[in-house]
Amino acid sequence: RKEVEQDPGPFNVPEGATVAFNCTYSNSASQSFFWYRQDCRKEPKLLMSVYSSGNEDGRFTAQLNRASQYISLLIRDSKLSDSATYLCVVNRGTGGFKTIFGAGTRLFVKA
Amino acid sequence: EPEVTQTPSHQVTQMGQEVILRCVPISNHLYFYWYRQILGQKVEFLVSFYNNEISEKSEIFDDQFSVERPDGSNFTLKIRSTKLEDSAMYFCASRERGDGDTQYFGPGTRLTVL
Repeated sequence: RKEVEQDPGPFNVPEGATVAFNCTYSNSASQSFFWYRQDCRKEPKLLMSVYSSGNEDGRFTAQLNRASQYISLLIRDSKLSDSATYLCVVNRGTGGFKTIFGAGTRLFVKA
Repeated sequence: EPEVTQTPSHQVTQMGQEVILRCVPISNHLYFYWYRQILGQKVEFLVSFYNNEISEKSEIFDDQFSVERPDGSNFTLKIRSTKLEDSAMYFCASRERGDGDTQYFGPGTRLTVL
């Protein structure tokens, strides 16, 4: 079983749609959680950290459920510029950490 | 805004040759990382480095790989004898401190092994 699993995608949505990304992680010792986005052939860039209390940044909402080992990302009113691969990322360990990336879910937003 | 830089942007080498990939992390950051991404595949953790020693490493990071912080600014990844399957994008990242602090990624070095 993969340590971090994401919806395989791709997701094809029209502009203005709401899109939900799901992620599960298998290691209960995981300590911190993030969503990154990656544009084609570019480096991953942090979208947001994910907390149990949930957090929102404009059109983006992330949620963590530690009991279910589940992480989600919701994008509302999607824009063409949201087209990218969305990566679920989990840190575990102490000090330097081991960072595990999910395989990513590709999103295509169309006009 | 401070950023992580990596050189070269693209390196082509012959199988069996040694390569050194260079990174300059953000200046006040304390934790450093290397990742690789084979074309079309996911980002894979290689190693984390703190206080001049390796903190964590993955199964990929075998004896062919080594990391070094030779001075106060550079962080290098050496591959001793490259194989065809080492062809990938290599990303360096750095982090300031703490548990939840963000990792900032460099633009990557594309390594092509012929």
